[in-house]
Amino acid sequence: DIRLTQSPSSLSASVGDRVTITCRASQYINNYLNWHQQKPGKAPKLLLYAASSLQSGVPSRFSGIRSGTNFTLSITSLQPEDFATYYCQQSYSTPRTFGQGTKVEI
Amino acid sequence: QVQLVESGGGVVQPGRSLRLSCAASGFPFSDYAIHWVRQAPGRGLEWVALISYDGSEKYYADSVKGRFTISRDNSKNTLYLQMNSLRADDTAVYSCVREGGVVAAFDYWGQGTLVTVSS
Repeated sequence: DIRLTQSPSSLSASVGDRVTITCRASQYINNYLNWHQQKPGKAPKLLLYAASSLQSGVPSRFSGIRSGTNFTLSITSLQPEDFATYYCQQSYSTPRTFGQGTKVEI
Repeated sequence: QVQLVESGGGVVQPGRSLRLSCAASGFPFSDYAIHWVRQAPGRGLEWVALISYDGSEKYYADSVKGRFTISRDNSKNTLYLQMNSLRADDTAVYSCVREGGVVAAFDYWGQGTLVTVSS
């Protein structure tokens, strides 16, 4: 199984900050890495797919980049609605796996 | 718009069975692979099972293999998860999720249905 190691597990930030979350895959997954946002009591929502492609309707302050088996999600100018938990997820192979999540708190 | 609506959750005793349903609308259901993903209270996301667009291929997490069965009825635009021999650690919100796009991302999620396994 492909293990995704996400860091940090939580972070505190302020509105307007730049935030970076990393996800490291245990083996080659090409660019089959996706990022999801989940707010309390809500279903997750796809933010980025294929490491760096923005899902339709997602603000451009979200971006992603791949370097080998390391992936990064960045949020520039954090907004109040961005406080949530973020998960990386690989779709390269079955079983599909998720990172353990990063909670972005005020 | 794409909608996935789960139903069938509830409280069930250990060792018993439950069947979840997921009603899909707003897209050609028979063209898409669909997954079940679960989330235990206060925990992260865990993939459970996958079924191909035509039901010919099915895959399961080791934690549910031999106990859970995923199926679909494309004539009814409905996905199912038959859960047998339920255990306390199966307690979670179960969501159906569409797979789409060039890298088979989870592009649409249902709101989920809560399954509680407790005596």
